Amino acid sequence: GQSLEQPSEVTAVEGAIVQINCTYQTSGFYGLSWYQQHDGGAPTFLSYNALDGLEETGRFSSFLSRSDSYGYLLLQELQMKDSASYFCAVSSGAGSYQLTFGKGTKLSVIP
Amino acid sequence: SAVISQKPSRDICQRGTSLTIQCQVDSQVTMMFWYRQQPGQSLTLIATANQGSEATYESGFVIDKFPISRPNLTFSTLTVSNMSPEDSSIYLCSVEGAYNEAFFGQGTRLTVV
Repeated sequence: GQSLEQPSEVTAVEGAIVQINCTYQTSGFYGLSWYQQHDGGAPTFLSYNALDGLEETGRFSSFLSRSDSYGYLLLQELQMKDSASYFCAVSSGAGSYQLTFGKGTKLSVIP
Repeated sequence: SAVISQKPSRDICQRGTSLTIQCQVDSQVTMMFWYRQQPGQSLTLIATANQGSEATYESGFVIDKFPISRPNLTFSTLTVSNMSPEDSSIYLCSVEGAYNEAFFGQGTRLTVV
């Protein structure tokens, strides 16, 4: 089976940096993804890591260590609009095939 | 990117009835995925739908309860059958993009009374 652990809630100040960690246990691993979901909205894709290392996309970066079964999402220069839930997800097939999601981290950005 | 139209966006249904959710994609895709998200919870994969073959269901989900159709490469339906209050949830369809990303429809918020 698959299981993912991530913090349930994080609070950070506008303009700051926040890191959301994700550890996973999986049989069959292709990659780790991150999704953002605002209340009432659909999940939207942020990043995907298949190999070890850091991927940077604007203010967001994602890291993966396959040997440690660990990854994180780093959000810089936090803005109020970043308040949302963030899900890590493991692919057990190539790409986004058969995603298993973590329980999500609710990020609150405060002034 | 893929644009997914999902409907209805929400519905309130009587227990014992069925609801069919439709998902239309603006491009041809091999696989479509159906997820369930209970309020404030994570997403759980229900099944994977390939055009021209039976859907593949995840553990805990069965075809009699969640029949799926996939008549062509741009369309799929999920039916929630013989509903009970426990089926109250958000149902989302999803497709895979070209860069390992998943695109989601806006979801169907189902309340069973």
